[in-house]
Amino acid sequence: DAEITQSPRHKITETGRQVTLACHQTWNHNNMFWYRQDLGHGLRLIHYSYGVHDTNKGEVSDGYSVSRSNTEDLPLTLESAASSQTSVYFCASSGARTTGELFFGEGSRLTVL
Amino acid sequence: GQNIDQPTEMTATEGAIVQINCTYQTSGFNGLFWYQQHAGEAPTFLSYNVLDGLEEKGRFSSFLSRSKGYSYLLLKELQMKDSASYLCAVKDGSYIPTFGRGTSLIVHP
Repeated sequence: DAEITQSPRHKITETGRQVTLACHQTWNHNNMFWYRQDLGHGLRLIHYSYGVHDTNKGEVSDGYSVSRSNTEDLPLTLESAASSQTSVYFCASSGARTTGELFFGEGSRLTVL
Repeated sequence: GQNIDQPTEMTATEGAIVQINCTYQTSGFNGLFWYQQHAGEAPTFLSYNVLDGLEEKGRFSSFLSRSKGYSYLLLKELQMKDSASYLCAVKDGSYIPTFGRGTSLIVHP
């Protein structure tokens, strides 16, 4: 069965360190998204991609970057982790850009000390 | 900018019916989605509306009025397992999905 997986599922890091969260999907979807979820804010869009070599900034992109070198993967990098980036991160993909629903990974819980 | 509003929390009794409302103001509109999210888990897709009217799927129904910028999710015959957060999401003119803050539904026996 097709799926979308994230790793690591849990990570603790220190302020200033670079962190990369992996996202891999086997749906062959062109559209991929990274969201963060915090109490009181819901899901907020960080970055998204509509295909290989395409990346776009979302609502809360400062301090984050992504790259899309193939269809399956959209890694999210925190250049220099800050305590404000402690959150649960969800990767998602969708087929049709217009009508397609999002399929979410299981989430990555990141704690920045 | 986008603005999507939902109640923060609702409570209901097992076996009852509950309606969760969502109002939105977006730049363009290309569909409204409802997702269910149990605590500690990923959101999962429930329903999609792009035209006005009611979409029914088992115990769950979703309604859309584009002219009013309004949708609701109706849950019938509530079960304890329906205790979860319900997320309203709108695709704007650029097809980017934007989420409301979610409604936490607590179902009591």
